[in-house]
Amino acid sequence: DAKTTQPPSMDCAEGRAANLPCNHSTISGNEYVYWYRQIHSQGPQYIIHGLKNNETNEMASLIITEDRKSSTLILPHATLRDTAVYYCIVRHSLNNAGNMLTFGGGTRLMVKP
Amino acid sequence: KAGVTQTPRYLIKTRGQQVTLSCSPISGHRSVSWYQQTPGQGLQFLFEYFSETQRNKGNFPGRFSGRQFSNSRSEMNVSTLELGDSALYLCASSEGSGGNQPQHFGDGTRLSIL
Repeated sequence: DAKTTQPPSMDCAEGRAANLPCNHSTISGNEYVYWYRQIHSQGPQYIIHGLKNNETNEMASLIITEDRKSSTLILPHATLRDTAVYYCIVRHSLNNAGNMLTFGGGTRLMVKP
Repeated sequence: KAGVTQTPRYLIKTRGQQVTLSCSPISGHRSVSWYQQTPGQGLQFLFEYFSETQRNKGNFPGRFSGRQFSNSRSEMNVSTLELGDSALYLCASSEGSGGNQPQHFGDGTRLSIL
């Protein structure tokens, strides 16, 4: 699976949009981009994933550049409860690829009042 | 649907003992994966089971083993515990193994070795 690069930490004001970048310049055409977050003392929580198109769900939006070499996770109105470590991961799309996720260091997002 | 359930939540053992951790996946999920999380190494993949067969294994010694039952519930076992095995052990489940199927994690078992 392709390696990802994320900034180690970011701050965001409560109520503002949080934009978390991820670089995955070696991604291949059949690899998905996944985002998880981990709040202290809890297991990672699935947020969203996408292959080529932008995706949106009740938690966040995922914007993938046209060349797929980078993506941005957007939390539209950040709250204090969004303070967490956010992980960007790429996964192969094949059905028999298995479920091994390779976690990097992630981005520690601090939402401030 | 109930989420992934891991038991126990906390466990204290001493060096040389063995331990068994349990994971109940989300109903209908056939794949169960295990991860170890430590402050120094972060989240690392241990192994994955699908339909009672181990499909992938991470770079851990043979003291770490697991199994999956016919109802998809899974257990992992660590024998001859070492101080370095102190960690949060996480279980994740998914319906299958395709890249388009997200894994969902439990809140883990925190294992402390004295």
